Amino acid sequence: IQLTQSPSFLSASVGDRVTISCRASQDISTFLAWYQQRPGKAPNLLIYAASTLHSGVPSRFSGRGSGTDFTLTISGLQPEDFATYYCQQLYNYLPLTFGPGTKVDV
Amino acid sequence: QITLRESGPTLVKPTQTLTLTCSFSGFSLRTRGAGVSWIRQPPGKALDFLTVVYWNDDKSYSPSLRSRGTITKDTSRNQVVLKINNVDPLDTGTYYCAHGIRSLSEGKYYYYMDVWGKGTTVTVSS
Repeated sequence: IQLTQSPSFLSASVGDRVTISCRASQDISTFLAWYQQRPGKAPNLLIYAASTLHSGVPSRFSGRGSGTDFTLTISGLQPEDFATYYCQQLYNYLPLTFGPGTKVDV
Repeated sequence: QITLRESGPTLVKPTQTLTLTCSFSGFSLRTRGAGVSWIRQPPGKALDFLTVVYWNDDKSYSPSLRSRGTITKDTSRNQVVLKINNVDPLDTGTYYCAHGIRSLSEGKYYYYMDVWGKGTTVTVSS
């Protein structure tokens, strides 16, 4: 299974609403997660099962989608949100592949 | 509170075996649904899922690792070990271990990783 993300790079400002897309090469229902990785740090889980917000994650993060098309939206970008975001397919009967990442920069 | 810590050599020669240990606390790998995974990140590149071992000793490997890697768990010591045989410079990168949860939805299993270690950097070079 292949995951593609768009855009690869996104330039934004504090307060912006930002949307990142992830497309799967086959139907994965809602079995998708989003992770945030700040430079030099380990990834952090943001959302799983396409739209379930992980405990402690701010509500400005939201996820949608099913089948092959998914989105991550950040409503009101904060300085700490400048990072790289990865999607990952979670369906246990396929390789647990990550997408190539989207870097959100100033 | 769940924590994980990766340990192992920082430098390995090509063709050698790389052994990495993930030591964890705050959960048990006897708990139904729990898993521990390994993920690699080459310098400046994307995350690459390598392998996972579940509470019931089920294991899964990425296609790229399947022939060279072995994951094992030691439940009594709260450790998971990854061995990669015949390493190559392409195995260079930061290796993370992560706690995950296997859940059931609409009759299908899915697995996500909710807590990650800080990672350990490995260079494969002669």
